Amino acid sequence: QSVLTQPPSASGAPGQRATISCSGSSSNIGSNTVSWYQQLPGTAPKLLIYNNNQRPSGVPDRFSGSQSGTSDSLAISGLQSEDEADYYCAAWDDSLNGWVFGGGTKLTVL
Amino acid sequence: QVQLQESGPGLVKPSQTLSLTCTVSGGSISSGSYYWSWIRQPAGKGLEWIGRIYTSGSTNYNPSLKSRVTISVDTSKNQFSLKLSSVTAVDTATYYCARYRSIAAGFDSWGQGTLVTVSS
Repeated sequence: QSVLTQPPSASGAPGQRATISCSGSSSNIGSNTVSWYQQLPGTAPKLLIYNNNQRPSGVPDRFSGSQSGTSDSLAISGLQSEDEADYYCAAWDDSLNGWVFGGGTKLTVL
Repeated sequence: QVQLQESGPGLVKPSQTLSLTCTVSGGSISSGSYYWSWIRQPAGKGLEWIGRIYTSGSTNYNPSLKSRVTISVDTSKNQFSLKLSSVTAVDTATYYCARYRSIAAGFDSWGQGTLVTVSS
């Protein structure tokens, strides 16, 4: 049981927009910023979004993040087949004094 | 560009200690004020943070694993290590090493991961 809650799956047609939610509590998302990771099959996770809505160099602006209260969301616009992957949210938890992750969302591009 | 590489036995017997090392290349483990972490992922499941170490040697561990985990750093070898004692089958996972500068910055570099199987 993950501390952060994500839907197990999401989908969208090529060119459309998909959104993945991440729900937490006052001790994690409510107090600290969220980062998002993309994990392609058989590879290590890759940082996609940090500080709620910042993109590392090289990440397309099709990816965006937003936070509201104790929830966060990742939006992917202009879906492409190469966006098919597992996506994880993460945040520092002040009560646990450590990082917590969501259970992951498998994105399918129809 | 910094690179991280995990190494260690791929098979560990139940009740024994799992030992892994992460070698950092392309930069000094002592510079840049980074935290160095271990994260694991059982096959087909999500990510679990194991713990972190700062270059000063200070550590934080996942409370659920704290009694069995030790993370240490060897700055002379540009490495940090993980020891997980009294392993069982539930510790079978791919283990990743990763770094972050601050909790706002996220884990910006990851190793490729190494699969550790606990079995007799």
